[in-house]
Amino acid sequence: NAGVTQTPKFQVLKTGQSMTLQCAQDMNHEYMSWYRQDPGMGLRLIHYSVGAGITDQGEVPNGYNVSRSTTEDFPLRLLSAAPSQTSVYFCASSYGQGPYEQYFGPGTRLTVT
Amino acid sequence: AQTVTQSQPEMSVQEAETVTLSCTYDTSENNYYLFWYKQPPSRQMILVIRQEAYKQQNATENRFSVNFQKAAKSFSLKISDSQLGDTAMYFCAFMKHGGQGAQKLVFGQGTRLTINP
Repeated sequence: NAGVTQTPKFQVLKTGQSMTLQCAQDMNHEYMSWYRQDPGMGLRLIHYSVGAGITDQGEVPNGYNVSRSTTEDFPLRLLSAAPSQTSVYFCASSYGQGPYEQYFGPGTRLTVT
Repeated sequence: AQTVTQSQPEMSVQEAETVTLSCTYDTSENNYYLFWYKQPPSRQMILVIRQEAYKQQNATENRFSVNFQKAAKSFSLKISDSQLGDTAMYFCAFMKHGGQGAQKLVFGQGTRLTINP
């Protein structure tokens, strides 16, 4: 049972480049989400999904796209990277019903120059 | 919208001491969950303790306990007999119960805790 996995662990992009951060979970969790962590601001929700085919925006969705074609995978796409997207990105998953504990992946550190 | 505030950016105590981390939150919800997460230098987010708002009894997990004051919207974390491995960032988080947008975590800014030998 690998839990929540994220790839890559580190990434450097140039402004304007695109990329996809991968997230996968093998716990059959219905709920998956993406957060970004910036210094002094805690984690903020970008997008989330309550099941395959269903996604919605969180607190800071601009500049990011998501899709959920399977229960296991929830990729986060940056279409045109900007320096403001330099951050650490965490994927999390949980069951749709209680006890609502969210399991976090190890994070991806992204730097946009 | 819910907000979570951690007013102590950094704290430092000696090993074996007891330390309390503060957290306040603002919400109009009546049913919700509160969490403390630990983030060590490895960057992994680890759930420390969880409290359901409808439960009056404060949650405890070994050396970790909370003081949940619903009317005051306060949720502090007490670490007893602190250990070097407790050195980490600690985040307080809020989650509303049920309805649209349930399971969305709202985090505080974090408190960096250092345990000194």
